Amino acid sequence: QQQVKQSPQSLIVQKGGISIINCAYENTAFDYFPWYQQFPGKGPALLIAIRPDVSEKKEGRFTISFNKSAKQFSLHIMDSQPGDSATYFCAAPFGNEKLTFGTGTRLTIIP
Amino acid sequence: NAGVTQTPKFRVLKTGQSMTLLCAQDMNHEYMYWYRQDPGMGLRLIHYSVGEGTTAKGEVPDGYNVSRLKKQNFLLGLESAAPSQTSVYFCASSKDSGGDTDTQYFGPGTRLTVL
Repeated sequence: QQQVKQSPQSLIVQKGGISIINCAYENTAFDYFPWYQQFPGKGPALLIAIRPDVSEKKEGRFTISFNKSAKQFSLHIMDSQPGDSATYFCAAPFGNEKLTFGTGTRLTIIP
Repeated sequence: NAGVTQTPKFRVLKTGQSMTLLCAQDMNHEYMYWYRQDPGMGLRLIHYSVGEGTTAKGEVPDGYNVSRLKKQNFLLGLESAAPSQTSVYFCASSKDSGGDTDTQYFGPGTRLTVL
């Protein structure tokens, strides 16, 4: 079974805090791990992705950390803002042609 | 560029009725995908296409059929709708192999209710 296990299912963080979402995966076709962000009523959109020739990738307040030996990767959102409130999906490739997505994390940033 | 568009945005069907969801992209992408999104289940791949005239099964293909007669269009059909097919359906496209390093671009979704 090709699975990506994502946790937590929902997360509430205070404004200015750090939001952390985790994903664990089984054997993938190759190492490429994207995160998608989805706002209510919209389709998902790519937020950030990592190709683990590095263990960490940072874009602004968003960072992906990758642990190949543990088969885990995580999304960190620093200085979380109300505009970050959305559903986040991790994904992993289990074939050359498609991604398998995690079950999603609904993030709410409270003032 | 409109990106990925989906028609219709909303639809209510009765059990046993049929319908077709249309996805169109204007980015000249080779790969196209149909997903369904259900609470707590994430995005699950129904069918996908790696080019004009091709289709392949995804994770949850039963009860659905697809066609890719033109590169820019990907149709999802429900021959005999069931309440279990109540969901939000997303179409996506990518330039090359979506499982590789290519970004998938999603449409705005179609909310389908089957009574």
